[in-house]
This record gives sequence, structure tokens and C-alpha cells, in this order.
Amino acid sequence: EVQLVQSGATLKKPGESLKISCNTSGYTFSSYWIGWVRQMPGKGLEWMGVIYPGDSDTRYSPSFHGQVTISADESTSTAFLQWSSLKASDTAMYYCARHLIPTMTTVDYWGPGTLVTVSS
Amino acid sequence: DIQMTQSPSSLSASVGDRVTISCRASQSIARFLNWYQQKPGKAPSLLISVASSLQRGVPSRFSGSGSETDFTLTITSLQPEDFATYYCQQSHSTPPTFGGGTKVEI
Repeated sequence: EVQLVQSGATLKKPGESLKISCNTSGYTFSSYWIGWVRQMPGKGLEWMGVIYPGDSDTRYSPSFHGQVTISADESTSTAFLQWSSLKASDTAMYYCARHLIPTMTTVDYWGPGTLVTVSS
Repeated sequence: DIQMTQSPSSLSASVGDRVTISCRASQSIARFLNWYQQKPGKAPSLLISVASSLQRGVPSRFSGSGSETDFTLTITSLQPEDFATYYCQQSHSTPPTFGGGTKVEI
């Protein structure tokens, strides 16, 4: 059974750094694109980017390129999303998202979400 | 980026009703169109891919149609568990983009 387990909700201050995680199981981690989708409070879904753990090929939406870093650790089958300097506008739910083979565009499994709140 | 426009943004319906949600792409995406369902406080789930392919376990009352720029999600005989927000998403090109969502409520 495919499972995506995300790190817990977090409260941060503007300017702080953050790295959230998505630990996966039940499939071959290195063979599927995995990425992140943002949902701001009361709003819709935004695809942020993906990584192919097998070769670390990483793609970003232009809207998020340079704003976040996506990475993966094959040894622990875990994907990460990190910020170097958070802003209040980063407050959102972040979903880990496994993508259908061979695409990097269709999500077939979703994590439960990590709520990130950025407030002074 | 390809823009996806859904209509309506919300609708009121009753159990047993037939519901239709529309999705329009800003350019042709062939049949590279997915539909997701999101219930309150939950992650989305994939209902339909490539315009009309029902995912395993999704009830047959859900169906999708369309091609190029115009697509439709239909729910025949709405059930209580179908009250949710539905999103279309183009999977034709990167970045994949979502419609604004359609909230189906009582």
C-alpha cells in the first residue's frame, strides 16, 4: 500500500528557515516523480514542482522557482520542501504528491498535508 | 502557463440530482485533463484522468468527457458523500495548472 506521511504542522516567524518532509513507503521511491502542491487558506491548488529521486532531476513551476527548494533522500524514501527565508504569504497547507508514471503532471497519491503558518 | 477556468464556482444540489461541472483550457490540451475531488479538511483525490478514465474505486456515477479546450465532469444521482470541491487540472504541459474549483453543496 502506497503511503505518504508528512511532517507535522509548524508555526514560524518571518525570515526563519524551514524544511518539511514527506516519508514514503509501499512503492519504489526512485521510480516516480514526487513533488509538492500548495493550498493557501480558502484557495485552490497550485503545483509547485517535482523531483525524480532516481537521478535528482528537479522541475519547478516558474511561480515557485527560486522561492523554495525540493530535494529527496533515496536512502529514507523521503522528499523535502524547504525555504531559506519564510514570508507571511507562505502560510498555507502543503501537500506531498506522488505522480503517475511516466508523468510529472498527474498526482495519483497525496499526503495528508503539512500546515505551515508564518506569523510574527 | 495554461489557464484553466471552471464553472460554476459553486452550486447547490440535492441528493439524487445530476450535476455537471465545466472546465475550459486557454489552449488545446488534447485529452490531458484530470479531475480531483477534495473534501473539507482532506487532501484531494484523483477521480478521472485523461478526460474520461475513471480511477480504480471511483463510483460509476462519475464520468468525464471533452477534448481540446472544453471538458465536463458529470455526477449522475448525487450522493451525500459527493458534497465536496472539484478541481480540473491540465496535465498537457509543465507546470500543470488547476482550475479554481467548484464547490458542490446542499
